[in-house]
Amino acid sequence: SAVISQKPSRDICQRGTSLTIQCQVDSQVTMMFWYRQQPGQSLTLIATANQGSEATYESGFVIDKFPISRPNLTFSTLTVSNMSPEDSSIYLCSVERGGYGYTFGSGTRLTVV
Amino acid sequence: AQSVTQLGSHVSVSEGALVLLRCNYSSSVPPYLFWYVQYPNQGLQLLLKYTSAATLVKGINGFEAEFKKSETSFHLTKPSAHMSDAAEYFCAVAAGTYKYIFGTGTRLKVLA
Repeated sequence: SAVISQKPSRDICQRGTSLTIQCQVDSQVTMMFWYRQQPGQSLTLIATANQGSEATYESGFVIDKFPISRPNLTFSTLTVSNMSPEDSSIYLCSVERGGYGYTFGSGTRLTVV
Repeated sequence: AQSVTQLGSHVSVSEGALVLLRCNYSSSVPPYLFWYVQYPNQGLQLLLKYTSAATLVKGINGFEAEFKKSETSFHLTKPSAHMSDAAEYFCAVAAGTYKYIFGTGTRLKVLA
């Protein structure tokens, strides 16, 4: 299975600022996924990132708040913009191969103060 | 629409006892089902998956799950709990290509 490196592993940020999370995969993948896990809750898909095209956002998530880049087949970034305390969550990058399960990065624990 | 329900947000078992974590699903098509584990301060790791082959699926770390269509269940079991099994466990169903719906999770505590 793929190995995913995600950074930073954690950060504490001031409200109103932005944080960019990086995700590097050890092999080429067509689609990369960004999830949010709010405290004590399950995972919610934010968006799907394809190389060479605009990311596809799920209901409740918008590009202005969560811009995503996908410059090549092994790398993606997610930016959390104009942060508020409600954005405090774990953000997870993942890849999926042919319906047989996601592989997740270790996550970014974001605290907004 | 696909969905999963995990019964019990917290489960405690004694070391060496049977682990049973419950997951019921709803799906309008034959489902693909998954169990993931999340250890403290880590991402999610795939434990096992059901993809319409054998109904009894064996995963890593001694875990297994049985797909029961008549009960719409996919419960996770392990015969003998170990302290290292303490973690949060998520059940998930594939809801279309590449999109999964995750349950709310069950936190497993193992008592010495």
